[in-house]
Amino acid sequence: GENVEQHPSTLSVQEGDSAVIKCTYSDSASNYFPWYKQELGKRPQLIIDIRSNVGEKKDQRIAVTLNKTAKHFSLHITETQPEDSAVYFCAASIGGGGADGLTFGKGTHLIIQP
Amino acid sequence: DVKVTQSSRYLVKRTGEKVFLECVQDMDHENMFWYRQDPGLGLRLIYFSYDVKMKEKGDIPEGYSVSREKKERFSLILESASTNQTSMYLCASTSGVQPQHFGDGTRLSIL
Repeated sequence: GENVEQHPSTLSVQEGDSAVIKCTYSDSASNYFPWYKQELGKRPQLIIDIRSNVGEKKDQRIAVTLNKTAKHFSLHITETQPEDSAVYFCAASIGGGGADGLTFGKGTHLIIQP
Repeated sequence: DVKVTQSSRYLVKRTGEKVFLECVQDMDHENMFWYRQDPGLGLRLIYFSYDVKMKEKGDIPEGYSVSREKKERFSLILESASTNQTSMYLCASTSGVQPQHFGDGTRLSIL
């Protein structure tokens, strides 16, 4: 089955700096890659997703890049703010929107230092 | 806005008990999922369903079963609870190629 590796497990950055979280996947048939943000005690919430027919997607301060050849994708957050502090999960799926279930990475705890 | 509701936020049960976790969604989604979340392990798929009375095993189905008698409701069943099933359980739903939406989770403790 699919295996998703996520790095780093903890990332501490100064407020205003950029943060990058990287994931690799094993199944070349995977075609959908969402990113979820989970604040303490709350549900995971989708922040951005990308499909395999696109190499990059951006939404304000957040961007995701996908390299299908290398089977890796990354989350980029620019101009980080205190409210960006959370655990971020990458995931991969064969089923387009995740209809067959998502395989998650183990998460990155992002800490924004004031 | 999609609403996925899990019946309990916190639940304490004893080993050997049969435990039911309930999930309801209000968006007429075909697909529903159960994950468990453990520190350092991320979210792992237990079971999912793509239609009423249909179920598929995920990555860690051992010790669990599910029931989907109505489209909006998906139940996770621990047939005989054990301490290694103490965890946070998250339900999610989706339709077609839409992203999965999660419930608030049930923190289950097995004593």
